[in-house]
Amino acid sequence: NAGVTQTPKFQVLKTGQSMTLQCAQDMNHNSMYWYRQDPGMGLRLIYYSASEGTTDKGEVPNGYNVSRLNKREFSLRLESAAPSQTSVYFCASSPGLAEETQYFGPGTRLLVL
Amino acid sequence: KQEVTQIPAALSVPEGENLVLNCSFTDSAIYNLQWFRQDPGKGLTSLLLIQSSQREQTSGRLNASLDKSSGRSTLYIAASQPGDSATYLCAVQGGNQFYFGTGTSLTVIP
Repeated sequence: NAGVTQTPKFQVLKTGQSMTLQCAQDMNHNSMYWYRQDPGMGLRLIYYSASEGTTDKGEVPNGYNVSRLNKREFSLRLESAAPSQTSVYFCASSPGLAEETQYFGPGTRLLVL
Repeated sequence: KQEVTQIPAALSVPEGENLVLNCSFTDSAIYNLQWFRQDPGKGLTSLLLIQSSQREQTSGRLNASLDKSSGRSTLYIAASQPGDSATYLCAVQGGNQFYFGTGTSLTVIP
């Protein structure tokens, strides 16, 4: 039981390049989330998926797109990376959206030059 | 917009001491509040979840309280150990949005 896994662990991009961050969970959870963590800012919600087939914006969605590929997988895409998107990205999942404990992946460190 | 604040930003205590971490939030209309632990370079691990209708939750040496009316939560750690050294974050859920504080970095000195 791996929990929440994320790939890659670390990535360097040049401004304007695109990439997709992958996330998968094996806990049969309905809800999944993408956050970014920046020094002094705390974690901020980018997008979430309450259940398979649905996605919604969080606090900071600009510059990102997401796909809930199936119940297990939730990907985050940067179409044209900017230095302001340098951050640590965390994926999380929970059994449901409301009043449930979230389980986090190990994170992806992204550096945009 | 919900604002979550954690004070102090850093705390250093000798082993065996009892300690309290603080979390405050500006909007009392929350579904729940969670406390997480984050080790350097790692993801977050949930410690305690307090539903909006609850006043406190306990797990081992940890006790978390919630006072919605005043917008405050505390995490009490009893008999601290060096292994408790980590950053502790609180997060509130309001609607379908989740808001995190910036955390308190705890160091327990052997």
